[in-house]
Amino acid sequence: GNSVTQMEGPVTLSEEAFLTINCTYTATGYPSLFWYVQYPGEGLQLLLKATKADDKGSNKGFEATYRKETTSFHLEKGSVQVSDSAVYFCALIQNYGGSQGNLIFGKGTKLSVKP
Amino acid sequence: EADIYQTPRYLVIGTGKKITLECSQTMGHDKMYWYQQDPGMELHLIHYSYGVNSTEKGDLSSESTVSRIRTEHFPLTLESARPSHTSQYLCASSEWGRTSQTQYFGPGTRLTVL
Repeated sequence: GNSVTQMEGPVTLSEEAFLTINCTYTATGYPSLFWYVQYPGEGLQLLLKATKADDKGSNKGFEATYRKETTSFHLEKGSVQVSDSAVYFCALIQNYGGSQGNLIFGKGTKLSVKP
Repeated sequence: EADIYQTPRYLVIGTGKKITLECSQTMGHDKMYWYQQDPGMELHLIHYSYGVNSTEKGDLSSESTVSRIRTEHFPLTLESARPSHTSQYLCASSEWGRTSQTQYFGPGTRLTVL
């Protein structure tokens, strides 16, 4: 079945450092891919998404490219800020079967950015 | 701005009590979801609904039940709470019919059962 694997945290960086959070997936066909972010004490919110191969999603300085050949959707940001401290979830949308349309999440990666 | 609301935000109750967690959305979305988030942050889908009078069990077995009598409202009920039910519960909604639809999440209810 479909699944998502993302790098385990926690990840601790200094302000202005470069961020990469790895995400790989297993899926039938070409599902849409997502990154969600959860700030402390809040629910999840969509950070960016890509709906087909080679698409690049971007938002708030974060980017991720849908790589079909490596089945990956790594999240990157060139210069992180303290306000980026949060938990990041990679996800794909189930595109077949009885639970079509449901999201499959990775386990989440906690990012802490120190000033 | 997502318009999905959950009440209460925090709930501390004793074992054996019946509780209902409320979730409402004003976006007219057909599909709604309940997730349980464990202390390690992992999300587990426990219930979802395609629309009024539709309820489905998710990937993680749960003793909770849900109902969908109105499009905008998707409450979750625990008939007899136990300490093992202590968790964060997140409600979400989305449009139905497109494979790239975004799920919008509420702020969550943090439940503690003593």
